[in-house]
Amino acid sequence: NAGVTQTPKFQVLKTGQSMTLQCAQDMNHEYMSWYRQDPGMGLRLIHYSVGAGITDQGEVPNGYNVSRSTTEDFPLRLLSAAPSQTSVYFCASSAGGEGHEKLFFGSGTQLSVL
Amino acid sequence: KNQVEQSPQSLIILEGKNCTLQCNYTVSPFSNLRWYKQDTGRGPVSLTIMTFSENTKSNGRYTATLDADTKQSSLHITASQLSDSASYICVVTKRKSGGSYIPTFGRGTSLIVHP
Repeated sequence: NAGVTQTPKFQVLKTGQSMTLQCAQDMNHEYMSWYRQDPGMGLRLIHYSVGAGITDQGEVPNGYNVSRSTTEDFPLRLLSAAPSQTSVYFCASSAGGEGHEKLFFGSGTQLSVL
Repeated sequence: KNQVEQSPQSLIILEGKNCTLQCNYTVSPFSNLRWYKQDTGRGPVSLTIMTFSENTKSNGRYTATLDADTKQSSLHITASQLSDSASYICVVTKRKSGGSYIPTFGRGTSLIVHP
């Protein structure tokens, strides 16, 4: 069982470039989410989805777009990369429901914006 | 101010010793509290979950406590091992209006276990 798969593992962008971070899960989880982790700070929620076709903003959504066309995939798009978006990005999924289900995390994408 | 505060920020202990990590939160309305372990370069992995009515829960050498009145939780690690070296993150989930659940992460406690 692959769990949550994130690609790429590392990425370097120039300011103004756009790109998509991929996230896929094979556990048939309804809930998927994206976080960024910066040194000295807790993980912060960017966007989340409670099911296919449904997305909502988290704590730090500006500069990022998401869509959820299938249960399995939840890509994160950076529209115009900025140095402030240099971070480690984690995708996570859970069975959703009553909010007690644990999050399963991918292994992360380290993004540097020059 | 972060809604989930963890202490200490970092901790160094010798192999075989016990330690306790603290988590104070102001997140409301409270749904549950989880402790996650994050190894360097990996995503966090859940250790325990505490709901409002639970005071203590164990998972092997890890024991979590919750005092919902004072909004405090602790994670006690017994007989530490070198593999316990990691960041331990307290995550408090609240129920958002509309029915979705939003987790709030603490900054983590970095634990180093020396031989």
